[in-house]
Amino acid sequence: KAGVTQTPRYLIKTRGQQVTLSCSPISGHRSVSWYQQTPGQGLQFLFEYFSETQRNKGNFPGRFSGRQFSNSRSEMNVSTLELGDSALYLCASSAAPGSGANVLTFGAGSRLTVL
Amino acid sequence: GENVEQHPSTLSVQEGDSAVIKCTYSDSASNYFPWYKQELGKRPQLIIDIRSNVGEKKDQRIAVTLNKTAKHFSLHITETQPEDSAVYFCARGRGGSEKLVFGKGTKLTVNP
Repeated sequence: KAGVTQTPRYLIKTRGQQVTLSCSPISGHRSVSWYQQTPGQGLQFLFEYFSETQRNKGNFPGRFSGRQFSNSRSEMNVSTLELGDSALYLCASSAAPGSGANVLTFGAGSRLTVL
Repeated sequence: GENVEQHPSTLSVQEGDSAVIKCTYSDSASNYFPWYKQELGKRPQLIIDIRSNVGEKKDQRIAVTLNKTAKHFSLHITETQPEDSAVYFCARGRGGSEKLVFGKGTKLTVNP
């Protein structure tokens, strides 16, 4: 069973640009959530998607957005990049909210560097 | 408050000793408490979790205890080995949502 797949693994952007990150959940998992990991702030929740609907959103500015497709794949977008957006962006999938699980399986992450 | 406080931030032990990491939270609605291990350059991996209807859970050398009244939970690793060296994160969650609030992490070093 393939794990959570994130692409690209590494990318470098400059300030003001925008970036799109992709996440394919474990087959059969319908819930996808995104986290930002930085040395200073640790792991911070960005958003959560289930059945193409955003169910929850963290305390990030509107420059951070996401979506989920009918096949459960998800993308997140960051517009007008700032230096502080440099981080490891982790995607996690789970079977379904309310299934009693809450068990998240993380992907390897997309490491974004903003210059 | 939403945050989870995790202590200590770094922990160094000798191989074979025990290690204990503690977390406190304030959200009374939290009912799910996982622990993740993240080795250098790798993804966080779930090592054990506990739900609020249980006070303690064990899996071989790892155990987690939960005191819901005091709102704190702890990770206990016995007979530590060098491969236990990693950053450990505690987190809290609520049923029906995949949102987890993480502690800042504990860097555990097991010296051979």
